[in-house]
Amino acid sequence: GAGVSQTPSNKVTEKGKYVELRCDPISGHTALYWYRQSLGQGPEFLIYFQGTGAADDSGLPNDRFFAVRPEGSVSTLKIQRTERGDSAVYLCASSATGGSLPSPLHFGNGTRLTVT
Amino acid sequence: KQEVTQIPAALSVPEGENLVLNCSFTDSAIYNLQWFRQDPGKGLTSLLLIQSSQREQTSGRLNASLDKSSGRSTLYIAASQPGDSATYLCAVLTAAGNKLTFGGGTRVLVKP
Repeated sequence: GAGVSQTPSNKVTEKGKYVELRCDPISGHTALYWYRQSLGQGPEFLIYFQGTGAADDSGLPNDRFFAVRPEGSVSTLKIQRTERGDSAVYLCASSATGGSLPSPLHFGNGTRLTVT
Repeated sequence: KQEVTQIPAALSVPEGENLVLNCSFTDSAIYNLQWFRQDPGKGLTSLLLIQSSQREQTSGRLNASLDKSSGRSTLYIAASQPGDSATYLCAVLTAAGNKLTFGGGTRVLVKP
């Protein structure tokens, strides 16, 4: 497919467990973003990658959250010791260019995480 | 800190009426503003992107205006259809960083 792919689409886990969420961006897109969307709210920024490096991780809520993009394409968002408050839809987006250049973001369908 | 507000939070109109969705932002130092559509359980689909130097963008029945100095954007949808029912989100890319700041969205219902 030509779009941003996120797996799994749904993830249910118990409080205290570790989870990994995967994002496959559009081929050739250098910029990759993770957002978190709680019910009834707009997405909130978590982290932005330009290539392999995290250019801005100011939105990560605490040190339980970590993300990697080792080869500059696929990214994994990792959450340790999950809490019920982590329940949300985690959205990934990619764009052809990053930073301030005017390039639209293309979003995946998200991973709905439920922590019980 | 950039804050984006969308009013109203929800809107219900009969089919055929024009829709007017409002978005306001507090920091006028933006690079662009983007309108998205989100269907239940789905990701975001980009509708229109307005550069900071532009006043409006049009695509089919959709028209978005931008008044950067007053911190406002309006999305107009002409001759609404039931298929337009969705949540519409606006987001701004600020000069201070690489991230989009989103409003809370307007949930639209077009009744047949």
